[in-house]
This record gives sequence, C-alpha cells and structure tokens, in this order.
Amino acid sequence: AQRVTQPEKLLSVFKGAPVELKCNYSYSGSPELFWYVQYSRQRLQLLLRHISRESIKGFTADLNKGETSFHLKKPFAQEEDSAMYYCALKMDDKIIFGKGTRLHILP
Amino acid sequence: EAQVTQNPRYLITVTGKKLTVTCSQNMNHEYMSWYRQDPGLGLRQIYYSMNVEVTDKGDVPEGYKVSRKEKRNFPLILESPSPNQTSLYFCASSRLGTSGSRTGELFFGEGSRLTVL
Repeated sequence: AQRVTQPEKLLSVFKGAPVELKCNYSYSGSPELFWYVQYSRQRLQLLLRHISRESIKGFTADLNKGETSFHLKKPFAQEEDSAMYYCALKMDDKIIFGKGTRLHILP
Repeated sequence: EAQVTQNPRYLITVTGKKLTVTCSQNMNHEYMSWYRQDPGLGLRQIYYSMNVEVTDKGDVPEGYKVSRKEKRNFPLILESPSPNQTSLYFCASSRLGTSGSRTGELFFGEGSRLTVL
C-alpha cells in the first residue's frame, strides 16, 4: 500500500509565483514527516522536517493530521529551487519515500 | 568532512557477474540503508541495518544481499545481477535517537549508477 503519495510527477511554476508541492501520507501511528531535495548532480539532502517547524530556503511545511498531508510551500519561487523533491515518512525502523515531484521553475 | 562514500559511482556489467557496491560513512552512525531510485518509482528501500551484525529487508530486497561487519561499512552485494537491477543506487546513514529509533535525517552518498546488460 502506498504510504506516501506525491500526486504530481512534474510541477512547472514561473519564477516569483507561489509553489506548493503536495504530499499525503497513510500511517496509523504518530507520523514524522520530512522533505528531501535533490538538486541536479548533487546528492539527496534533508530540506526540512515537521518537528522542527522551521523555514529552510524560504520553504515551509505544516503537518495536517486531519487531512494527513504535509505539503511543501514557498511564497515566491526562485530559479535555484528547480530540483527533485521527495516527501518521506518515518515508520518504526523505516523511512518510506514518495515517488517524488520534479519542480521546474520557469524564467 | 562528514560524508557517505559509495563506490563505484558508475558500473556496467553483464548478467550473472557478481558485484559489490561499497558504502562507507565516517559519522559513526548506527543506522545505514540502501535505496534504489527508478524513474516514476521514487526511492525504494532495499535493505537497512540498525547496527553491526543487524540487518533487515526493506521493500525490494530480492536479488540483493548486505552485510554489516563494521559500523562504518555497509556493502550491497548482487550475487547474480539481472537487467531489472539496472538502477541508481543510494546508500544513506543516520544516527539513532535517544529513544532507539532513528532521527530521520538521512545522509546520502552520491549514488552508484549500475547498468546490467
């Protein structure tokens, strides 16, 4: 069963426009959620986690337990935001990743 | 510099020829894991290890073996590679939290692109 769903494979957004990358999860326990990012030719790295409630590179994500969502948002997209984004759910001893969304920022 | 190192970065091999992808981390992390990344399928966990001599299957373990004889190393072994194992492989490590569960921040290697002909 798909535990982490990222419905968009590709999201194209104009520079300066708001960005929202969707993530929904399915887990009966207490979820811990993360966003990882993979810039071109770089390794995957942690972008942010829900428990820290911080903003990294202008991105924020709020855990909504009622809607089982952890959408990633940024008010004004920048060209350097173009990358592959993965939502991840920590379940016991595992971390499960979604299929990823490629964010393409248009000039 | 704290990092996870994988070798080789690129490999082309033929069906049935055993190969090993090495992974080493210098952060004294207890937890290590292997993932494969395929277009449209995201990252799928192959095997993971909570500590030395402790390994367990992820979601797609078939055709792979691992070992964890030392804390820093976690090699991925393909005993008889097949074309469906052509993929981009990532090793990752993480420290365990005080509760015994992982903190969730995975540190990734640069990836190993494997092609099986």
